[in-house]
Amino acid sequence: GAGVSQSPRYKVAKRGQDVALRCDPISGHVSLFWYQQALGQGPEFLTYFQNEAQLDKSGLPSDRFFAERPEGSVSTLKIQRTQQEDSAVYLCASSLLGISEQYFGPGTRLTVT
Amino acid sequence: DAKTTQPPSMDCAEGRAANLPCNHSTISGNEYVYWYRQIHSQGPQYIIHGLKNNETNEMASLIITEDRKSSTLILPHATLRDTAVYYCIVWYTGNQFYFGTGTSLTVIP
Repeated sequence: GAGVSQSPRYKVAKRGQDVALRCDPISGHVSLFWYQQALGQGPEFLTYFQNEAQLDKSGLPSDRFFAERPEGSVSTLKIQRTQQEDSAVYLCASSLLGISEQYFGPGTRLTVT
Repeated sequence: DAKTTQPPSMDCAEGRAANLPCNHSTISGNEYVYWYRQIHSQGPQYIIHGLKNNETNEMASLIITEDRKSSTLILPHATLRDTAVYYCIVWYTGNQFYFGTGTSLTVIP
C-alpha cells in the first residue's frame, strides 16, 4: 500500500526565498507530524496535527515557519525568507491516532544557498 | 531535552544478536519506551515500544529492567540490512517525541 509521500524530495532555495514542502499522509491517518533533521542529528519535532487542528506547534523555530492541513489530509510546511540555518531534511510522519506508531516519509532535503 | 542515553556506535557480526542498550534513569511511571531506526537517507521506522513488560514482535525484542531505568533492544539475528541509527525514546502524552542522536549500529559481514 502507499506510504507517506513527500515532495519535492530535494529543494534548493536562495536565501530569502519562500518554500513550500508537501506531505501526503497514509489515507485514514488522523495524526500528522513534521520534524526537522540537521546533518548528523536525530529528527527534531516541529508541529503536530490531529485532523485539521494544529494541536502543538511549539517546535517551530521561528515565525517564518508555518504549517497547515486544511482538510485533514495533505499538509504543507511553509518557510518564509529562508536562511542558511534552515538547511536540513524535513520529515513528515503520520499515524492512525497520536504518537504510537508513526510512519515516516522519505523527507525533503532543503538546501539554502 | 534528552531523557535517554545511548552509546554513539556499536558493531555486530552478521547472524549474531545485536543488543542495543538505553539508559533512562529519570523515566516516570507513565512514560513509554519507544525504539525507532533510521537507515541512511530514509525516514525513521518504528520498531517496538513498551511500558513495563518485555515486548516482542517480528522485528525485535524489548527488555525493560524491573526498575525501568534502562532497556535493551535485541535484534535476534542481525543482517546487513539492520545497519542503521537506532533511537531510544521515552514519551508520554503531552510531551514532545525527542529522538536524540541514537546509536549507529554497523552489522559486519
